[in-house]
Amino acid sequence: NAGVMQNPRHLVRRRGQEARLRCSPMKGHSHVYWYRQLPEEGLKFMVYLQKENIIDESGMPKERFSAEFPKEGPSILRIQQVVRGDSAAYFCASSPQRTRSSGANVLTFGAGSRLTVL
Amino acid sequence: AQTVTQSQPEMSVQEAETVTLSCTYDTSESDYYLFWYKQPPSRQMILVIRQEAYKQQNATENRFSVNFQKAAKSFSLKISDSQLGDAAMYFCASHWGSGNTGKLIFGQGTTLQVKP
Repeated sequence: NAGVMQNPRHLVRRRGQEARLRCSPMKGHSHVYWYRQLPEEGLKFMVYLQKENIIDESGMPKERFSAEFPKEGPSILRIQQVVRGDSAAYFCASSPQRTRSSGANVLTFGAGSRLTVL
Repeated sequence: AQTVTQSQPEMSVQEAETVTLSCTYDTSESDYYLFWYKQPPSRQMILVIRQEAYKQQNATENRFSVNFQKAAKSFSLKISDSQLGDAAMYFCASHWGSGNTGKLIFGQGTTLQVKP
């Protein structure tokens, strides 16, 4: 089991370009979450997706950011017209479908994608 | 608003000794879960331990244990027999309610240094 796979690990973009970050959840996991970690801070929730559905995007900036989790393929976090403030580590996590007996799902995190905007 | 606070930006411990990392939280919810995550220099987030709020017994995982004080809204992590590999950033996190199970609130983190 390869775990949660994120790529690229490092991405450098110039201001105004687009950034695409990909996340493949653990095998058998149907829930994907994206978090952002600014330097010297904890992780902040961005969005929660299931296949073809956005369940909770309350942490997503209103503009330039979008996320999808298609029926086939990885989840994508897309940042359009990047600015320097978007420089951060972006983490993806996945979990299996929750059951009442399991309580809160334990998230399995990927190693993150570090975005640097020049 | 629900919050998680870690008031110790940095801590250090001598190898083989015990260290306690502090975490407090604020919520009006009755159903919630608390977690400690470890983030080594590789940046990988690794779950260390979890605690269900409805359980009175403190969770333990080998050398890691928690002191869960529900009335005081405190959730500290104790690392016994510290090892060099324990050096990392530690984050306290919580999930509230019975809805979305992946929306965690993280504290600011505590950097733990282990001295040989």
